[in-house]
This record gives sequence, C-alpha cells and structure tokens, in this order.
Amino acid sequence: QAVLTQPSSLSASPGASASLTCTLRSGINVGPYRIYWYQQKPGSPPQYLLRYNSDSDKQQGSGVPSRFSGSKDVSANAGILLISGLQSEDEADYYCMIWHSSAWVFGGGTKLTVL
Amino acid sequence: EVQLVESGGGLVQPGGSLRLSCAASGFTFSTYEMNWVRQAPGKGLEWVSYISNSGGTIHYADSVKGRFTISRDNAKNSLYLQMNSLRAEDTAVYYCANFAIEYWGQGTLVTVSS
Repeated sequence: QAVLTQPSSLSASPGASASLTCTLRSGINVGPYRIYWYQQKPGSPPQYLLRYNSDSDKQQGSGVPSRFSGSKDVSANAGILLISGLQSEDEADYYCMIWHSSAWVFGGGTKLTVL
Repeated sequence: EVQLVESGGGLVQPGGSLRLSCAASGFTFSTYEMNWVRQAPGKGLEWVSYISNSGGTIHYADSVKGRFTISRDNAKNSLYLQMNSLRAEDTAVYYCANFAIEYWGQGTLVTVSS
C-alpha cells in the first residue's frame, strides 16, 4: 500500500469548492506531519501551493491566492487541500508530499477538472 | 531572480550512464538543501534524492539506491546526479528542486532505450 493515496480524478464546477484528499497509509498517523501541496499544469514543473500541519504551523506559497487552503481530517488520517471559488485556471494535477522515514514521498496525484 | 537550470539529459542505452547537472543562481546555494525529483511520461512525481547544504547528509529513493549518486559543488553553485546502470524505468523528466524556497527547475529529459 502506498504511503500517500490521492483520488486519481475529481471534477467540480466553476465557482464551487473542491476538496482534495491525501490519505496516509494505515499505521502512519497524520498528526505530526507537515503536508505539502503542489499544482502542476501540462508541460510545466510543479508549483508550490502551501504546506499545512496545524493552524499554528502552516505556510502559503508566495503569490498563492487565499482560496487555496490546507487542513487535516484526523479521523480520516488525511491531509486536505481546499480550493474555493473554482476557476478554469485551477484545472491541473495536484500532488501532496510529506517527509517520511528519511525520504520525501509524493502522493499519486489528483487530476482536477473544472467544468 | 532565482534560477535552477538542469542539463545533461538525453538518450542512453540500458545499462549506460548519464550525469545530470543543475546550475543554481539568485540565492545562496550553499545554505540550502537540494533534491532531485523525476516524472515519467504521463506519470506522477517521484522523489529521487536529497542532499544537505554541506553535502554531509544524503538520502536516496529505494528505486535508485546503489545506482545513482547525488553531489554538489557549492563553489560552483551546482548540483549533480550521476546515474549508472540505467533502466528503461528511469526514463523521466528530472527536476532539481529547492523545497525551502519553493523553486523547481524546468527539468531535463532522460530516455533510456535501445
């Protein structure tokens, strides 16, 4: 089982909100982890969005709109990227990442379609 | 302006070697940890290797351990990835990345094929 699991795809309408999940493998508690989120559009390198550990330990990427926000769902053992007020330009692949056992680990990515 | 420029990619036969370079500018290279991340065509991101600012601490993904070697030359503001015993599954765009300042290069394509 992968360390980080993301749904492969998600669709949402313009103006709506989208909640992207990043679930940690059973046995790895989301609690202490900083979860990083990246956006990648075709033909471009990933762009850092934000990292979230707690409300007192979080960071927004430079120039990243506040409609991108992070949180955790401890009961689901997952990190969440919430995108509100969806715009067509938000259509992209989204990846989560953590530092685990002396390695950076990426989730498999979620392809977000805005239609 | 921060810049990370990768070079050295290309076509190589299985079992062959390549050395990737990443030229850094616009920040104090010697004070930052660096990473290599790759992305196979149409696939997701895979972290490859990490090196501390001094080069004293290094980590590798299991998929490349024993075949790839990361290094840096702080005097030249450069990061390297020596890739040996290359396999078809190493085919990917390779990015150098500074996670601390949120910056990635544009990547260099490595194709392993006969």
